[in-house]
Amino acid sequence: DSGVTQTPKHLITATGQRVTLRCSPRSGDLSVYWYQQSLDQGLQFLIQYYNGEERAKGNILERFSAQQFPDLHSELNLSSLELGDSALYFCASSLTGDGNQPQHFGDGTRLSIL
Amino acid sequence: AQSVSQHNHHVILSEAASLELGCNYSYGGTVNLFWYVQYPGQHLQLLLKYFSGDPLVKGIKGFEAEFIKSKFSFNLRKPSVQWSDTAEYFCAVNAVKNSGYALNFGKGTSLLVTP
Repeated sequence: DSGVTQTPKHLITATGQRVTLRCSPRSGDLSVYWYQQSLDQGLQFLIQYYNGEERAKGNILERFSAQQFPDLHSELNLSSLELGDSALYFCASSLTGDGNQPQHFGDGTRLSIL
Repeated sequence: AQSVSQHNHHVILSEAASLELGCNYSYGGTVNLFWYVQYPGQHLQLLLKYFSGDPLVKGIKGFEAEFIKSKFSFNLRKPSVQWSDTAEYFCAVNAVKNSGYALNFGKGTSLLVTP
């Protein structure tokens, strides 16, 4: 158990819909990261937050947004869903956001778009 | 462009065989390097990390990796694999991104260990 909690574990929805994925970081970790894992693209970084502020942005579509709340949990919002958004979405957390601490991953949310 | 290359996409070994998985990175600065393992249906787990110091780093479950700066490599090794090592292995570089950091992953190597 990594200490990073992601909910829900599975999500099935239709094209055009909107979903919210939730992540609670390990106790004491201030930084949260979101990654997308798909067969064709592999593991792709989406976005990083540190203590409530956005720090880094990767290959995140404009239809996707995220935020980190004062209690440090984070949500990833995916809207106008397309078939290609089907993937495993991982959240990770680290103690700091300066690259000098390893990231610890949650179990992921498997998103299936029908 | 920053990138991480894993040379072997699929590896099949018999139990007790030795393992070496290649990883090369392209990055022009100080790097923090990682190997993660993903067992079937599970999350990514940290195997080992290199930040600085001794280039030979030891991780969990008998794995080790050697950082060779001149070759931009960080290969993963294990002297004798077990069936339970069957998993996907990812090499990653912690790269500067905007004002933060992100893990830049290789495509992964799928390891199957046969009894």
